[in-house]
Amino acid sequence: DTAVSQTPKYLVTQMGNDKSIKCEQNLGHDTMYWYKQDSKKFLKIMFSYNNKELIINETVPNRFSPKSPDKAHLNLHINSLELGDSAVYFCASSKTGTLTGELFFGEGSRLTVL
Amino acid sequence: AQKVTQAQTEISVVEKEDVTLDCVYETRDTTYYLFWYKQPPSGELVFLIRRNSFDEQNEISGRYSWNFQKSTSSFNFTITASQVVDSAVYFCALSEGGGYNKLIFGAGTRLAVHP
Repeated sequence: DTAVSQTPKYLVTQMGNDKSIKCEQNLGHDTMYWYKQDSKKFLKIMFSYNNKELIINETVPNRFSPKSPDKAHLNLHINSLELGDSAVYFCASSKTGTLTGELFFGEGSRLTVL
Repeated sequence: AQKVTQAQTEISVVEKEDVTLDCVYETRDTTYYLFWYKQPPSGELVFLIRRNSFDEQNEISGRYSWNFQKSTSSFNFTITASQVVDSAVYFCALSEGGGYNKLIFGAGTRLAVHP
């Protein structure tokens, strides 16, 4: 069983479209995250939810909207896609939202905007 | 501000060589955690180690070892007798204070181990 699973793994779309990436974790963790990895491999946090509550919201365009229907799921919806949104998006989870929580990452979703 | 610097962009070694990946961090917090993650060519992020700021003991796990020195704000990672399967991008990360877990990643070091 995959601990943190993301769908889709690959997504190719046109500029201006709206797309969603879904994430589910079966670890019983309270906290989930979205990280973005750009073409230079740089990883940066975007959002974090703890028990369905948004706790970290980095400076991200408001075209990006996370949604957490329950503790086990965190989805990322992106409106009006731009070329610069092309990246690999990683979902992660941790037992708690505190410093001690090791992050478990999904396999990533590679988004390509044409 | 929190910051993690991995000055080595790419390292290339021949199998069986030892290699050290450097990591230097900046933080004003007294309580923090440091991490290393491995990203093999398949793309997933694999957790390697977590170290808290109060534990400066070095750690060894098989061919991997980590040297944490608060005096120099460094958390270096050594692979002994490298193997081709060690080829990957390695990320050092710092967990920011303030109660919530926000990993600040370094830019990564790409390690290529050649047969």
